[in-house]
Amino acid sequence: GAVVSQHPSRVICKSGTSVKIECRSLDFQATTMFWYRQFPKQSLMLMATSNEGSKATYEQGVEKDKFLINHASLTLSTLTVTSAHPEDSSFYICSARDLGVGRGEETQYFGPGTRLLVL
Amino acid sequence: GEDVEQSLFLSVREGDSSVINCTYTDSSSTYLYWYKQEPGAGLQLLTYIFSNMDMKQDQRLTVLLNKKDKHLSLRIADTQTGDSAIYFCAWTWAGSYQLTFGKGTKLSVIP
Repeated sequence: GAVVSQHPSRVICKSGTSVKIECRSLDFQATTMFWYRQFPKQSLMLMATSNEGSKATYEQGVEKDKFLINHASLTLSTLTVTSAHPEDSSFYICSARDLGVGRGEETQYFGPGTRLLVL
Repeated sequence: GEDVEQSLFLSVREGDSSVINCTYTDSSSTYLYWYKQEPGAGLQLLTYIFSNMDMKQDQRLTVLLNKKDKHLSLRIADTQTGDSAIYFCAWTWAGSYQLTFGKGTKLSVIP
């Protein structure tokens, strides 16, 4: 299947600093990527939909000024957690939508996740 | 999002079959998925089924869809210890490609 990478896999930062997480589709182009947040032992919560070349669409309750999303190319989306606080500590997972051109089907592939710990 | 029912835990013996169930409420779902998440890792797509299908088999995995009852199940034959993980059902619905996830079922395989 298609491969989606995330970098870094794990990051520890001080409260008040900003952290950037990258999501890359390695062998397909993704016009749409998604960012999720997962708390321990819970399901994934969709934070925002990232569209290449346009502004991201944020889910209700997600602060767009705190979680900055940039989808600069068809293979890269970044999530920047600005002025991080301990309550931002979580597992952040991205996914990329593979349109399945030529296969007549589409699906989403997930990155391995980034664990953020804010001290 | 729509409510989804998934049993939180399932424990089976190695070699037995596992059946993970998912009940959803959105009748307009189009693609239905099963994802596997191992500890500390992202989600791995296991299999998916179109809403116009009743069953799909892929090696040890069998997906059954009962649209009338809005019930989706994943059967894992000859369950192995490497199958221990959390399994999420998910779907997209007509006009949207956003995934809605179930709460996840933690499968524990006893050697």
